[in-house]
Amino acid sequence: DAGITQSPRHKVTETGTPVTLRCHQTENHRYMYWYRQDPGHGLRLIHYSYGVKDTDKGEVSDGYSVSRSKTEDFLLTLESATSSQTSVYFCAISLDRGSNQPQHFGDGTRLSIL
Amino acid sequence: GDSVTQMEGPVTLSEEAFLTINCTYTATGYPSLFWYVQYPGEGLQLLLKATKADDKGSNKGFEATYRKETTSFHLEKGSVQVSDSAVYFCALNRDDKIIFGKGTRLHILP
Repeated sequence: DAGITQSPRHKVTETGTPVTLRCHQTENHRYMYWYRQDPGHGLRLIHYSYGVKDTDKGEVSDGYSVSRSKTEDFLLTLESATSSQTSVYFCAISLDRGSNQPQHFGDGTRLSIL
Repeated sequence: GDSVTQMEGPVTLSEEAFLTINCTYTATGYPSLFWYVQYPGEGLQLLLKATKADDKGSNKGFEATYRKETTSFHLEKGSVQVSDSAVYFCALNRDDKIIFGKGTRLHILP
């Protein structure tokens, strides 16, 4: 257990509403990531963070923003949700930088946009 | 850019059968390679990794060898169990970002 909690685990909302997903870690890891998982696409990186207030865009960042005001929390916000953002969202953490470092994943948030 | 290609599933095998899930990658240099496993309703778990050419990663009876000459990292297990039913992802680490294949769903029949 990598000490990662995602909340909520499930959410259904309507198009045009703002949505915030939370990732909380107890490991004090510096590096955190948000992915979405869709059939036929595997996992795709949305945003990542290398520390407090240090974030950057990933492969599919359009329509998403993130914030990291504390080491333990990494928030993903959909400013105005669209049906194309229906997906399963995973948070991941990594102890250190370097190409040999694996990432450890939370259990995911299933988000449905109607 | 860098990419990972793995065999499409689903793969259906009988218990105690031999398993191979093919994975090839495209990348400059020598990225680290990983296999992750995802059980229903859960996140991904690291299964094994290899950080340089000819390295063999192993865990829970699964093995994969980093083959630079064929740019491959095929996952193998000699005798699968029903509990191995899951989705398996091959991945590489490039500049602290992990690039995943699309996943291979494995069904093991008792």
